[in-house]
Amino acid sequence: GAVVSQHPSRVICKSGTSVKIECRSLDFQATTMFWYRQFPKQSLMLMATSNEGSKATYEQGVEKDKFLINHASLTLSTLTVTSAHPEDSSFYICSAATGQGAFFGQGTRLTVV
Amino acid sequence: GEDVEQSLFLSVREGDSSVINCTYTDSSSTYLYWYKQEPGAGLQLLTYIFSNMDMKQDQRLTVLLNKKDKHLSLRIADTQTGDSAIYFCAESIRSSTLGRLYFGRGTQLTVWP
Repeated sequence: GAVVSQHPSRVICKSGTSVKIECRSLDFQATTMFWYRQFPKQSLMLMATSNEGSKATYEQGVEKDKFLINHASLTLSTLTVTSAHPEDSSFYICSAATGQGAFFGQGTRLTVV
Repeated sequence: GEDVEQSLFLSVREGDSSVINCTYTDSSSTYLYWYKQEPGAGLQLLTYIFSNMDMKQDQRLTVLLNKKDKHLSLRIADTQTGDSAIYFCAESIRSSTLGRLYFGRGTQLTVWP
């Protein structure tokens, strides 16, 4: 299957700082990638759809100025959590689709202290 | 809507079969997926079925789809302790962006030795 790599897998940051998470499609090109957030014992909540070369589409209730998405190439999308607060602590997962299905990165555990 | 429902917990004994059930509401689903998530990890695509199929078998996994009842199941034969994980049912629908999935809350499968 297709491989999606996400980095870092874990990050701890101080309140008020920004954190960047990368999502790469390693063996295919992805014009569209997706960013999800997962709370403990919960399902995945779609945050935004990342479109190569254009602006991301955010789901209702997701602050676009707080969660900055950049999809500058066909193999890389980044999510930057700006001015992070403890309530932003969560598990963030990206995915990219091929004709065989949607493939997910390993996820990033963000802890804001 | 795009509600996807799953039971939250399932316990089985090693060597038995596991059956995880899922219901969905959107009749315009195109593909239905099963993903596996181990603790602290991303989602691993296990299998998927096109909405005009009613069964798919892949080694120990059997997927059954009853489109009339909007019911999907995943059967794992000869369940092993390594199968213990959370299993997510997900669907893609015709009107959504390719790769955008709607997830259930996940079923925690516990396999007892």
